[in-house]
Amino acid sequence: TQLLEQSPQFLSIQEGENLTVYCNSSSVFSSLQWYRQEPGEGPVLLVTVVTGGEVKKLKRLTFQFGDARKDSSLHITAAQPGDTGLYLCAGRTYNTDKLIFGTGTRLQVFP
Amino acid sequence: NAGVTQTPKFQVLKTGQSMTLQCAQDMNHEYMSWYRQDPGMGLRLIHYSVGAGITDQGEVPNGYNVSRSTTEDFPLRLLSAAPSQTSVYFCASSRVGLSNTEAFFGQGTRLTVV
Repeated sequence: TQLLEQSPQFLSIQEGENLTVYCNSSSVFSSLQWYRQEPGEGPVLLVTVVTGGEVKKLKRLTFQFGDARKDSSLHITAAQPGDTGLYLCAGRTYNTDKLIFGTGTRLQVFP
Repeated sequence: NAGVTQTPKFQVLKTGQSMTLQCAQDMNHEYMSWYRQDPGMGLRLIHYSVGAGITDQGEVPNGYNVSRSTTEDFPLRLLSAAPSQTSVYFCASSRVGLSNTEAFFGQGTRLTVV
């Protein structure tokens, strides 16, 4: 059983649409990271949020950490085909420093 | 700068065989970990280490052993391969003690057990 649940599991949209991916847990984390993974490659870090309520923007991507440090969201504005990939949230646990990954959201953006 | 290097990239094993997946990093990171990725399951933590001589279990440790004799290397051993261990395995490294530390991943080892 994974501690971090992502929704939706799959998302297929047209270029120009907006979307939001959610990452939820019953556990509290010291930080929450979002990674993106391309086929045949390892995940690559997009962003880290550390403070409850924190919002970070990376061009068309907006990341938010929940006030209680248990959940996060990723919002993409005006999606482009280059955004296609697997998006993974990951929470770092207190004390043990373990990095626990979410179940993943596979995004496909059609031209 | 090689980062995290995993070998082999592909491997086919027969049920019951043993093997070692190699992982090496050249960033002097204290923290190293092994994950497996199955379709639709994201990444699940197998074992991790916060430094040489220190290892601990993750979410799915059964059937796997690890050791950490040096900072650079963190091999994963399959004692007696089973078809349920067919998966893609990723090794990662990062600094320890920083909540915002980035995890760097290898390119993965695709293992098939027949």
